[in-house]
Amino acid sequence: GAVVSQHPSRVICKSGTSVKIECRSLDFQATTMFWYRQFPKQSLMLMATSNEGSKATYEQGVEKDKFLINHASLTLSTLTVTSAHPEDSSFYICSAPQGGLEPQHFGDGTRLSIL
Amino acid sequence: TQLLEQSPQFLSIQEGENLTVYCNSSSVFSSLQWYRQEPGEGPVLLVTVVTGGEVKKLKRLTFQFGDARKDSSLHITAAQPGDTGLYLCALSSTSGTYKYIFGTGTRLKVLA
Repeated sequence: GAVVSQHPSRVICKSGTSVKIECRSLDFQATTMFWYRQFPKQSLMLMATSNEGSKATYEQGVEKDKFLINHASLTLSTLTVTSAHPEDSSFYICSAPQGGLEPQHFGDGTRLSIL
Repeated sequence: TQLLEQSPQFLSIQEGENLTVYCNSSSVFSSLQWYRQEPGEGPVLLVTVVTGGEVKKLKRLTFQFGDARKDSSLHITAAQPGDTGLYLCALSSTSGTYKYIFGTGTRLKVLA
């Protein structure tokens, strides 16, 4: 079946570092992907919609300059957390609809820990 | 803004007990998905419900979509420790962008 892969699965780095997370659709093309953030014991909160070949659409309250999204190909979207600080520590998950049909396929998430 | 409220927020029960989780929306939605998520992993789809009044069964799990399509429930019969996890309902935005809005989540723990 269709699979969405995220890399890395876990990142631990110092405050001030920029961190890039990749989301790949392995056997289908995704013109749209979604990035979510999940704090401990909470639900998933949509951060932004990644659009292939165009700018990402951010949800209210999400800083565009803080969370840079690039969707340069039909199988890859990247989320870069710039100058990360401890409050950015969270579980980041991406998803992609296959051919625009529901349901979406989710990656296994990336746990980001900023020291 | 469309909101999805789930109840209860936390639930700890003994193996063999039954339970029901509720998902309520402030407005009508066209379809709703139920997911289960385990720690450190992405959500895994359990079911999609589309038609008002629809009932779907998945082994010991029964999903119901309200007649007015503003609420849904998940009933688990004879819960097992393997059912432990975070249960999330989600609906698609009506704007046609396919983005999901997730419910507030129900954290279930089934004790052996």
